Amino acid sequence: AQSVSQHNHHVILSEAASLELGCNYSYGGTVNLFWYVQYPGQHLQLLLKYFSGDPLVKGIKGFEAEFIKSKFSFNLRKPSVQWSDTAEYFCAAMIYNQGGKLIFGQGTELSVKP
Amino acid sequence: SAVISQKPSRDICQRGTSLTIQCQVDSQVTMMFWYRQQPGQSLTLIATANQGSEATYESGFVIDKFPISRPNLTFSTLTVSNMSPEDSSIYLCSVPPRQNNNEQFFGPGTRLTVL
Repeated sequence: AQSVSQHNHHVILSEAASLELGCNYSYGGTVNLFWYVQYPGQHLQLLLKYFSGDPLVKGIKGFEAEFIKSKFSFNLRKPSVQWSDTAEYFCAAMIYNQGGKLIFGQGTELSVKP
Repeated sequence: SAVISQKPSRDICQRGTSLTIQCQVDSQVTMMFWYRQQPGQSLTLIATANQGSEATYESGFVIDKFPISRPNLTFSTLTVSNMSPEDSSIYLCSVPPRQNNNEQFFGPGTRLTVL
């Protein structure tokens, strides 16, 4: 069955540290990949997405992610985190031709210390 | 992007009762999705609701427990029936944008607590 795995359950960083959150998916065909963020008490927001083309995609708030097909990975990165980046981050995959439903990873809670 | 509203935003319910959650979209969409986010967990798709046809349920979810209505292209309801404390979750509806079926936007969610 298709699945999405996020390696880190909870990440704690100091401000200005670099961030990389791992995400792997299991599916051999065409997928669209997403990173969503959920700030405390707020609803899901799209950070960035990959459909095709350049495997390095840039999103909002300085986030970027790289799609590596050979590794079935879509890791999220940010060179320098801020306290305001404290949130829950979800990686998700949309399998092509399955009606648009999303398969979510378990989520990674990021805590940034000021 | 689509603007999605949900009612109620939160509710506290007694075991054995049912709650109907409404989802309203500001534009016509063919597909709507209902997700559940249990405390401390990720989102799980409950069902896909297409206007004019029966909803399609994911493994582990059944129509008797989560009946869905889709009376028109801008509205859907999800009912959580015969609730138990295990149903305490955030329930979210989402829709793909009108012109692009490969991205979803989410409503604000309904936070349900079952006592």
